[in-house]
Amino acid sequence: GAVVSQHPSWVICKSGTSVKIECRSLDFQATTMFWYRQFPKQSLMLMATSNEGSKATYEQGVEKDKFLINHASLTLSTLTVTSAHPEDSSFYICSASTLLASYEQYFGPGTRLTVT
Amino acid sequence: AQKVTQAQTEISVVEKEDVTLDCVYETRDTTYYLFWYKQPPSGELVFLIRRNSFDEQNEISGRYSWNFQKSTSSFNFTITASQVVDSAVYFCALSGVNAGNMLTFGGGTRLMVKP
Repeated sequence: GAVVSQHPSWVICKSGTSVKIECRSLDFQATTMFWYRQFPKQSLMLMATSNEGSKATYEQGVEKDKFLINHASLTLSTLTVTSAHPEDSSFYICSASTLLASYEQYFGPGTRLTVT
Repeated sequence: AQKVTQAQTEISVVEKEDVTLDCVYETRDTTYYLFWYKQPPSGELVFLIRRNSFDEQNEISGRYSWNFQKSTSSFNFTITASQVVDSAVYFCALSGVNAGNMLTFGGGTRLMVKP
């Protein structure tokens, strides 16, 4: 149980275009979803937290107009990187938690984004 | 504020050696959870263990063991008889109840096990 999927697993896009990453909880309802970014040889950095039906809460330094997060249902959250630039190239990981076990986050396999 | 420190950025051992990965944390919460994750080259985080702040019992799972000491705010991870497949980046993380269950990661320790 507690499986989280991400799609796509990797994506290459041209500078200036937008790319959408999906995060799905496959066998449970995720009241909260988290988006992390990980640069090579670095740790995971939380970008934003989203609760179903609410606006996402962004961490300091994360541009909310650039990284659009939508959590429209209890099983799906999307991260859209708008007007992507090479410096947005990174590994993006989502996680999900439930109301009953909010201390536990179940992680997706990650999406590797390369902007050329 | 929460903070997790993994002082060892890289460790290299020869297969069959024992290795301990250190983790020191800071939190103002009295109720919190500590985690260890493994991140192999594929990138996917693999959950290893969760410990709550009220359970200081050490845990052993096969070749893995964890030593939780509140007195020193440490949650160290030992791999006994290391194997090449243990090569990965290992992250220690902390989630505090009053911090909204935000998960704070340490910087990670890259473990290289050589044959």
